[in-house]
Amino acid sequence: KQEVTQIPAALSVPEGENLVLNCSFTDSAIYNLQWFRQDPGKGLTSLLLIQSSQREQTSGRLNASLDKSSGRSTLYIAASQPGDSATYLCAVWVGQKLVFGQGTRLTINP
Amino acid sequence: DVKVTQSSRYLVKRTGEKVFLECVQDMDHENMFWYRQDPGLGLRLIYFSYDVKMKEKGDIPEGYSVSREKKERFSLILESASTNQTSMYLCASILGGAHSDTQYFGPGTRLTVL
Repeated sequence: KQEVTQIPAALSVPEGENLVLNCSFTDSAIYNLQWFRQDPGKGLTSLLLIQSSQREQTSGRLNASLDKSSGRSTLYIAASQPGDSATYLCAVWVGQKLVFGQGTRLTINP
Repeated sequence: DVKVTQSSRYLVKRTGEKVFLECVQDMDHENMFWYRQDPGLGLRLIYFSYDVKMKEKGDIPEGYSVSREKKERFSLILESASTNQTSMYLCASILGGAHSDTQYFGPGTRLTVL
């Protein structure tokens, strides 16, 4: 059974820092991996989608990498801003469904 | 822009009531999903549908049913609401091949069962 783990559960950093969020999964037989952002009390917003054949994807200040063989993905956020404060979730496609990690709650302090 | 809407942001119901949660997407997506999200448990898949009138059980279907009579609309039904169904419910949809595209989420319905 696929399990997705995100460490740490919470992270607090000063504004302007570069940071890395981690995601690991137990079964490397995935179709793709997605990173989402969730603001308190809201739905999920997709940030990046990495296909299993890709190694990384970039969007603005965000860069996500995927290493299937080691079962790991990272989300790199450059020059963090207070507006980046949210919970970040990763999820992998297994069969016909997404399996989610429990998220990292990120706080950027002004 | 893809839009996934849910009928209510907040809902309060009593134990034993029949509850309908509605989800509508406007981009002709084939696949639609219902999740619930609880602190410490994350997002868990309740049901999904890959076509009109088709449905598949997810990881936690007990106590729920679904209906998909039209492509754009996917309803989650709590036949007899119980307090342990108090949760945030999220609907999602995806265009075409599920493995190659982004899953889009609605804003969520916060359901409280008293």
